[in-house]
Order: sequence, then structure tokens, then C-alpha cells
Amino acid sequence: GAGVSQSPSNKVTEKGKDVELRCDPISGHTALYWYRQRLGQGLEFLIYFQGNSAPDKSGLPSDRFSAERTGESVSTLTIQRTQQEDSAVYLCASRSNRTSSDTQYFGPGTRLTVL
Amino acid sequence: AQSVSQHNHHVILSEAASLELGCNYSYGGTVNLFWYVQYPGQHLQLLLKYFSGDPLVKGIKGFEAEFIKSKFSFNLRKPSVQWSDTAEYFCAVNARNQGGKLIFGQGTELSVKP
Repeated sequence: GAGVSQSPSNKVTEKGKDVELRCDPISGHTALYWYRQRLGQGLEFLIYFQGNSAPDKSGLPSDRFSAERTGESVSTLTIQRTQQEDSAVYLCASRSNRTSSDTQYFGPGTRLTVL
Repeated sequence: AQSVSQHNHHVILSEAASLELGCNYSYGGTVNLFWYVQYPGQHLQLLLKYFSGDPLVKGIKGFEAEFIKSKFSFNLRKPSVQWSDTAEYFCAVNARNQGGKLIFGQGTELSVKP
């Protein structure tokens, strides 16, 4: 079946503009995660959705970052008033709803460049 | 707070050499441990994972890792690397009771010379 997909693959924006990044998880996966990877660094957890439960937003770096997910489908990550330090690859992953040891499947990422 | 430390930033090996990539984590509770790999131009994929049972786990492409609880370590090994193993390798951990969010190390870039 299809894997996790993300769009756009690349986004270049000017400082101060808002951006929206999209993630389509694997069908039937109830858990969805957003991570970001800044140049030369490992992945940082941003936010986690599990079914209809309140999301775990503990990794969001500032209130300029927000994310939504409708049911068990698409998620969007929004960054308002982008700053240069927001430049990174934003990765989405999904997982089935069995246990935390289950594999997270990653999408190809969106490379965000803030000029 | 949880953290993951990968000892090597960049490793260069010749084909047929043995590989060991170090990974240590900091967390007092029960964890699941993962190694992910990112080949050039591809997205992250799971190499292997440990969550219970035999601490020596085998993954794809001849990789294995050993969980040593007393050392908080989960080192990745392969007896004989190939050029096609050139990639970036990430160690990650999640706590069993925290929804599965992964904490990643900074990654190790492996270059295998033919």
C-alpha cells in the first residue's frame, strides 16, 4: 500500500510569511507524529496525534507553530511569521494503534527554507 | 529528560570492514530502542528495534544491535559492510508510557569506500 506522503517537497518562503505543510498518513494508522531536522542535527519531536485524544504538543518550539488533524486522516503543520531558524526538513510519521514499540513509518519530508 | 547520544558523527570504512556505531541513552524507565537508516535520496526507514526479550536483535541487510541495560547502550553492528551501506544512521528511543514519540540521536554518517 501507499506510504506516508508529504507536500510540498520543497518550500521557499520569505521571513515573516506563514506556511502550511501537509501530511497524509498510511491508511488505518491512528497515530501521527511531526518531527523536524535542522541541518547537522538529529530529528526533534514536535507534536503527536492519537485518534481523538488531545494532541501532545510538548515539542512545539513556540506558539508560532500549530498543527491540526481531522480524525485519522490528513494533518497540517502551520508555521506563522516564519523565521530563518525555522529552516529545516519537516518529517511526518504514522504508526498503527497497537503499542509504542510499533514502527513509525516516515514520509519523505518537506524541506523548508526561510529567506 | 530523555536524550540519545551517538558517539560518531562521521565514519569512513572500506568495504568488508566491520562496523560498530555507538548509541547511549538517558532515561530511567522502560524504553523501546530503534535504529533508523536514511540512504541517499531516500526517506528514513527502520533498520531494527528492541522492545523486549533477547537483547541481541537482528535487522535487515545483516545489521544487528545489542541492548545492554546496565550501560544504557544499543550499539549497531555489521560484520562486513558494503558500499551500499553508505547512509546516515539514527538511533532513537521512546518511553513505553509516553505515546511513542521518538527521541533521536544526532545521527552518524557512514561512508563506505569501494
